[in-house]
Amino acid sequence: AQSVTQLDSQVPVFEEAPVELRCNYSSSVSVYLFWYVQYPNQGLQLLLKYLSGSTLVKSINGFEAEFNKSQTSFHLRKPSVHISDTAEYFCAVSKNSGNTPLVFGKGTRLSVIA
Amino acid sequence: GAVVSQHPSRVICKSGTSVKIECRSLDFQATTMFWYRQFPKQSLMLMATSNEGSKATYEQGVEKDKFLINHASLTLSTLTVTSAHPEDSSFYICSVTGGSYEQYFGPGTRLTVT
Repeated sequence: AQSVTQLDSQVPVFEEAPVELRCNYSSSVSVYLFWYVQYPNQGLQLLLKYLSGSTLVKSINGFEAEFNKSQTSFHLRKPSVHISDTAEYFCAVSKNSGNTPLVFGKGTRLSVIA
Repeated sequence: GAVVSQHPSRVICKSGTSVKIECRSLDFQATTMFWYRQFPKQSLMLMATSNEGSKATYEQGVEKDKFLINHASLTLSTLTVTSAHPEDSSFYICSVTGGSYEQYFGPGTRLTVT
């Protein structure tokens, strides 16, 4: 079975400051790793994913995450946040095969302060 | 990616009544659909896995007679909460997959049982 730990439930940060949202996972099998973003009263949107290959993955809106196998981590970073980045961020894992459900962390609420 | 809709987006019902939630994959042949439940300020928890044309597989602790899932076609799955009680109030989210790692999420349905 897989599990995901997001150590920070809330992260306040000033606009244009850098941010890191931490995610650690455990699994006895190889996994795929994901970050999802959820805006209030909306469903989840895929932010970025790691399947294989380069351990650094990037999204179109400036977020990036790095897969670290030895530390079993997949931390999310952004060098300069915007007010519009305020949302709930979920780290998730699945077994590296198709049709498998996601196991989510508890989420981190990112609040960007003007 | 696939477009997934859920109907209704919000529903309020009285205790003891049943509520049906629809999940539609508008442009995607969804061989598998997942139903998740999200309590306020908490993560998504998998309730059941639904494969088209077969019975759903429920997670431990989820009552199959209370949460009836039907996946009659490749584009539609329904979740019926029978004899709803206030503790069933939650945000219900479906996701669809066509056999790969990629999951596409619906916008969610907020159920409030009074």
